[in-house]
Formats: sequence, structure tokens, C-alpha cells
Amino acid sequence: AQSVTQLDSHVSVSEGTPVLLRCNYSSSYSPSLFWYVQHPNKGLQLLLKYTSAATLVKGINGFEAEFKKSETSFHLTKPSAHMSDAAEYFCVVSDPASGGYNKLIFGAGTRLAVHP
Amino acid sequence: NAGVTQTPKFQVLKTGQSMTLQCAQDMNHNSMYWYRQDPGMGLRLIYYSASEGTTDKGEVPNGYNVSRLNKREFSLRLESAAPSQTSVYFCASRTIRGPQSNTQYFGPGTRLTVL
Repeated sequence: AQSVTQLDSHVSVSEGTPVLLRCNYSSSYSPSLFWYVQHPNKGLQLLLKYTSAATLVKGINGFEAEFKKSETSFHLTKPSAHMSDAAEYFCVVSDPASGGYNKLIFGAGTRLAVHP
Repeated sequence: NAGVTQTPKFQVLKTGQSMTLQCAQDMNHNSMYWYRQDPGMGLRLIYYSASEGTTDKGEVPNGYNVSRLNKREFSLRLESAAPSQTSVYFCASRTIRGPQSNTQYFGPGTRLTVL
């Protein structure tokens, strides 16, 4: 069965320093992978997605993620954090073998705090 | 273009009361979804409608019913609310064609408290 593990429930960084949010997945087939961001009391916004094209995926607001099949990882990075990046981030997997894009599996989320 | 809209934004119910959460999208999407979000658990799929006229159960359907009223609207009904249904509810939609067919777009959520 497919699953998603976000390795850190909370990450705290200083403004201007790099961000790393870690995600590991398990899937029985070639998955599609997504990162969504949720700002306080808001809905979810797509940051980026991997769907079997280039393994390094660039998203909005300077974020990027690298799909590493050998490590079953899809970590999210940003070179320099901004105060507006403070939010909750969800790693999401979609497995064509079990529901495809109708049945997304969400990680538990990582809350990112950015300090001045 | 409002995207996905949900009403109400907030609701407080007493145990045993019923209510319907409304969702509408103006993106001409085929598929629509209802999720619940609980602390520390990410989002879990309650029901979905792959196309107009069809609905299917997701991971946590018990205690809920849905209606795909037309292509734009997908409602979620709680017939007899329970405290365990206290949660934030999100609606989402997705097109089944083109390069965005793999992406779900989310509404702003409804925060429901059952006392």
C-alpha cells in the first residue's frame, strides 16, 4: 500500500537560511508526487509536482524538490527562507495502481516556522 | 474566476443535528472531492465524484453522504453530527484532461465544531 512519511513535524529556520523539508514515500508503481502549502486558516495551494518528467522539479516562490527513486524520497528545498514561507507543508503521493489522481495520500504535514 | 468555493466558512452544531456543506467550482472540472483535516493527520478523503452522476467512497465515508448536484456543485451532508466529526472540511476539484489533469485544486475550507 502506498504511504507518505514526512520526517519532521516541525522545522524552524532563520530568515535567509536554507529550508529542507523531508518526505519519504512508498508506492507499488511509478507515483506522482506533490507538495502543497497551507497558510494559516487557508486552503491548500500547489507548490510543485513530479509526474515522471525531470527528477528536479521547480515550483512557485523559489521552492524545488528532487525525486530520488533509489531513496524513495521527494524532499522540498529552498535556498533562502522568507518570513512569508511560514506555513504547513504537505507531501502527497498518487499511485496509478490504486486510485490514481482520485485518491491522493497525504503526509501528516510539516509546520515551518521562520524567525527574523 | 473564483476557483473552488465553500459555504459556510464556520459552523457549530450540537450532537445529533444535521447540516449540508456546499462546494462549487467554476473551472469546468469533471471530478470533485471532499476531505477532512484533523490535527497531525494530513487530509483524508471522505467521498469523491469522478464525473457528474457518479460518487464513490474514500478512506473515511462513515457518517457522511454526498450529492453531485451538477457539474459545478458537490455537497457533503452530515445526517446526525457527532463530536468525532469536528474537523476542517476541504472540497477540491480536478479536470480529467490536459496537462493539469493530475492536480487537485482546493477550496478555503469549512471549520466545523460538533458539541
